[in-house]
Amino acid sequence: QVTLRESGPALVMPTQTLTLTCSFSGFSLSTSGMCVTWIRQSPGKALEWLARIDWDDDKFYRTSLKTRLTISKDTSKNQVVLTMTNVDPVDAATYYCARLLTGAEGPLIDFWGQGTLVSVSS
Amino acid sequence: QSALTQPASVSGSPGQSITISCTGTSSDVGKYNVVSWYQQHPGKAPKLIVYEVTKRPSGVSNRFSGSKSGDTASLTISGLQAEDEADYICCSYGGSNNPLVFGAGTKVTVL
Repeated sequence: QVTLRESGPALVMPTQTLTLTCSFSGFSLSTSGMCVTWIRQSPGKALEWLARIDWDDDKFYRTSLKTRLTISKDTSKNQVVLTMTNVDPVDAATYYCARLLTGAEGPLIDFWGQGTLVSVSS
Repeated sequence: QSALTQPASVSGSPGQSITISCTGTSSDVGKYNVVSWYQQHPGKAPKLIVYEVTKRPSGVSNRFSGSKSGDTASLTISGLQAEDEADYICCSYGGSNNPLVFGAGTKVTVL
């Protein structure tokens, strides 16, 4: 049974660094084809893909946020960490982590976490 | 990196069929047969119900079906049931520079 759970601060001050942790079970991020990705959704807006880390430690970032995001993994702990520097009120959103599979057709998100709501305010 | 366009809401009576559209561009929905749909109940994690445009994961009701024409993908729910009341989100592969593109979600109401 695959499960993912996001954790992190509910409130972050502007200009600070946001650190989110995705703890997962039911699969190993050392298995070929396995990836974990982060997505966010601001109220009333489309979901926005942020970053992805692969079983072989390849990393991919949303172009517009590339300078502010860092994704890393701890395979032994079954955790993936996303950091976002210099947060702004526009970064307030529900942040989701999800399992992503790479296949012949293309990437597929098959399992999601419930999301964690992050507010940005002083 | 434009988002996919979905209607904000769709409603139907029990037993009816409804269709949710998801419009992208020739760079994502129109180019790749990598469109997926997710069902999300309030406070719950999104659940995969359709992938690669028309495929259903094991255990997903055959009342859910997907299709695509040009730059628009669609999700049809037939025999609408009360439990289908949820948000439905579409997602498409957009190539190496825009890996995943999402819609804002469509709220389905069962009247």
